Amino acid sequence: QKEVEQDPGPLSVPEGAIVSLNCTYSNSAFQYFMWYRQYSRKGPELLMYTYSSGNKEDGRFTAQVDKSSKYISLFIRDSQPSDSATYLCAMNQGAQKLVFGQGTRLTINP
Amino acid sequence: GAGVSQTPSNKVTEKGKYVELRCDPISGHTALYWYRQSLGQGPEFLIYFQGTGAADDSGLPNDRFFAVRPEGSVSTLKIQRTERGDSAVYLCASSPVGGGDGYTFGSGTRLTVV
Repeated sequence: QKEVEQDPGPLSVPEGAIVSLNCTYSNSAFQYFMWYRQYSRKGPELLMYTYSSGNKEDGRFTAQVDKSSKYISLFIRDSQPSDSATYLCAMNQGAQKLVFGQGTRLTINP
Repeated sequence: GAGVSQTPSNKVTEKGKYVELRCDPISGHTALYWYRQSLGQGPEFLIYFQGTGAADDSGLPNDRFFAVRPEGSVSTLKIQRTERGDSAVYLCASSPVGGGDGYTFGSGTRLTVV
């Protein structure tokens, strides 16, 4: 079993929809949780960074962490075609290696 | 530069050859990481440098893989006797000493072994 599980999709939704992306993890030592967006042939780009359980909002993006359930989510409101990308969850214990999920390929249809 | 720079962006090599991949991190970032991303997968950790020393090389798959960072800035990932299974995108990232939200990736080197 992988330390971080993420449904690879693909996920296709109409423009303007609310998107929900999720990851589960098994290592209770993880303290820092991140969501990255990766466009084709580009490196991952940090979208959201959270430490504690709860919600963190940044514009159209909301990251949610539930440490008791070992479950994290990313919500995208008013989705746009430019949001079409692969979304990767990642986590670690500090200034160390990140452990990534498989990534979810998302397409927003105009 | 403002970001993490990786060269070359693409590399095609023959099975059995030696390759070097270069990473130029963000100025002032003391931590540097190498990851490998296979098609349809998330990045997988290879090695982590804090300054000049390898703090964690547990992700290197075997002794054909080696990385250096002699002056605490630029790093080179070296692969000997390449195999077709080494084909992947090799990503470099750097961060300030505390990690955190300063963790920044380069665009990667796409290695193809034919």
